[in-house]
Amino acid sequence: DTGVSQDPRHKITKRGQNVTFRCDPISEHNRLYWYRQTLGQGPEFLTYFQNEAQLEKSRLLSDRFSAERPKGSFSTLEIQRTEQGDSAMYLCASSPGLAGVGQFFGPGTRLTVL
Amino acid sequence: SQKIEQNSEALNIQEGKTATLTCNYTNYSPAYLQWYRQDPGRGPVFLLLIRENEKEKRKERLKVTFDTTLKQSLFHITASQPADSATYLCALYAGNNRKLIWGLGTSLAVNP
Repeated sequence: DTGVSQDPRHKITKRGQNVTFRCDPISEHNRLYWYRQTLGQGPEFLTYFQNEAQLEKSRLLSDRFSAERPKGSFSTLEIQRTEQGDSAMYLCASSPGLAGVGQFFGPGTRLTVL
Repeated sequence: SQKIEQNSEALNIQEGKTATLTCNYTNYSPAYLQWYRQDPGRGPVFLLLIRENEKEKRKERLKVTFDTTLKQSLFHITASQPADSATYLCALYAGNNRKLIWGLGTSLAVNP
């Protein structure tokens, strides 16, 4: 399968714990995005990478969230000291950065904070 | 404030009919507008992109129109099938062209 993959698919954690999610984009795509989505809402932009450079981070994102994309390949999203409000689907998408091409999404990681 | 609005109510249509979904936006001048399909528990799937200088784009049974004067895009599914039942999201690039701003989506149910 050459699509975007995310791991884990589901994560249940207790409030205050740290969690880390991984995204493997389509190999030739240089752009990688992280979104958060809750029920009945559209995806909410979190951050964006072009190759290994993090070019934009949502102002909605608190300091508890951090993302990396070492070597411009896979990316990780870490949430420290999780809160119940962090419960959501975390989506990763990649794109080749070409005009006329949309973003390709992974299946998402569903986080539940107890 | 900047907003993207899609039909908030679910759309129910009969198989074989044309489904029309609306996406309205304010205070943007997007270079691109995109439509995605999302099934429950899955990530969105890219369907079509239309540029600001394009009036219409087609792909198989799908058609998208883009009216920058009305600030509106219409998404049509002709000869609809029960398998078309899903939530459809519109999204547009805002300003710096690096991120998408998303609508809330419209749920479509095609009844056999």
